[in-house]
Amino acid sequence: DAMVIQNPRYQVTQFGKPVTLSCSQTLNHNVMYWYQQKSSQAPKLLFHYYDKDFNNEADTPDNFQSRRPNTSFCFLDIRSPGLGDAAMYLCATSRDRPETQYFGPGTRLLVL
Amino acid sequence: AQSVTQLDSQVPVFEEAPVELRCNYSSSVSVYLFWYVQYPNQGLQLLLKYLSGSTLVKGINGFEAEFNKSQTSFHLRKPSVHISDTAEYFCAVTLAGTASKLTFGTGTRLQVTL
Repeated sequence: DAMVIQNPRYQVTQFGKPVTLSCSQTLNHNVMYWYQQKSSQAPKLLFHYYDKDFNNEADTPDNFQSRRPNTSFCFLDIRSPGLGDAAMYLCATSRDRPETQYFGPGTRLLVL
Repeated sequence: AQSVTQLDSQVPVFEEAPVELRCNYSSSVSVYLFWYVQYPNQGLQLLLKYLSGSTLVKGINGFEAEFNKSQTSFHLRKPSVHISDTAEYFCAVTLAGTASKLTFGTGTRLQVTL
């Protein structure tokens, strides 16, 4: 089945230690999104790629970066995680904008 | 800019009872509307969507929603809920025909009990 895959499902890191979360898709979609979701809140869009074009949200901290080396993969890099960055990180894809977004299972990040 | 309001943060209901989760949106132009469900420690799963056409939309797991343009609503309904429907439900909106982002409501926690 075509899908959105996120690894790992759970990630523990130390305060200030860089961490990378990965997302892959078999849907061959043009657009890939990264969301941050804190407990009992709605997902918050961090940025998205339309093909190779990177689109950052105005309020996304500089601490968050992303890479998309090819159509299938997208990475979220947190350069210096703080305690406030502990959250569920969701990857989503869509064929185009604005079209239906399909979400991966998420990676829960814990910062110690 | 578009916005979404989910007035009910929690909805308790007994198993086999009907349920309606309310969603209202605000936009001056045409919109696409979505309902997603999120089970604990999972990603979001698409329940149903309205892009155009028939205002009554049927989705997975027996859910349906009706797009009401005059009332700017997109309420989600199910005639008989099951314990397994216990989850967080998010309504979301995006502007039709543009590269706008998906705006989520704050979510409604559906708690089904025996």
